[in-house]
Amino acid sequence: EVQLVESGGGLVQPGGSLRLSCGASGFTFRNYAMSWVRQTPEKGLEWVSVITDSGGSTYYADSVKGRFTISRDNSKNTVYLQMNSLRAEDTAAYYCAKEWGRGTGLFDSWGQGTRVTVSS
Amino acid sequence: QLVLTQSPSASASLGASVKVTCTLSSGHSSNAIAWHQQQPEKGPRYLMKVNSDGSHTKGDGIPDRFSGSSSGAERYLTISSLQSEDEADYYCQTWVTGVRLFGGGTKLTVL
Repeated sequence: EVQLVESGGGLVQPGGSLRLSCGASGFTFRNYAMSWVRQTPEKGLEWVSVITDSGGSTYYADSVKGRFTISRDNSKNTVYLQMNSLRAEDTAAYYCAKEWGRGTGLFDSWGQGTRVTVSS
Repeated sequence: QLVLTQSPSASASLGASVKVTCTLSSGHSSNAIAWHQQQPEKGPRYLMKVNSDGSHTKGDGIPDRFSGSSSGAERYLTISSLQSEDEADYYCQTWVTGVRLFGGGTKLTVL
């Protein structure tokens, strides 16, 4: 059974930093691209970033480009999201999601989420 | 530009059927999409992948009441024999290289 468990969320001041982690199990982690997706109470789901299976390529939504960095450690079955220069509008629940497979950018598994609050 | 369009809301009676629609923008009518369900106060849950030919692949444990289909640029999620727990937000999702994208979501109310 695929399991994705996010951690690292919390309260941070504007301009601060936070690192989210997503531990994976139940599948061969190194074979799958992984994404981070966020959701605010008012809005729907917003894709944030994706990293390819090898970690060789990363992509970001315009709203976080230059501030967030996605990475992964295939030896630890973990994907990370380093969030810098945080803004109030980054307040959201953050989910990691596993993709279907190479060449298919569709998500087929989700974590339970971790909440990030950016406030002074 | 790739855009997914969903109606904001839908409703149907307990035990009835409902069809939720996701429309791909011009030039992307061959894209496969995924449907995800989000029940109140819960995280998203993958339901199924729907291809342009209408074939679909459901996630583990998804009831037979849930099915997918396609017509042109439209992708459908049909839920039959509606149950109270089907009241949720339903999102379609697709991709192009370097971008993943969601529709705005459809809030389903079970009457």
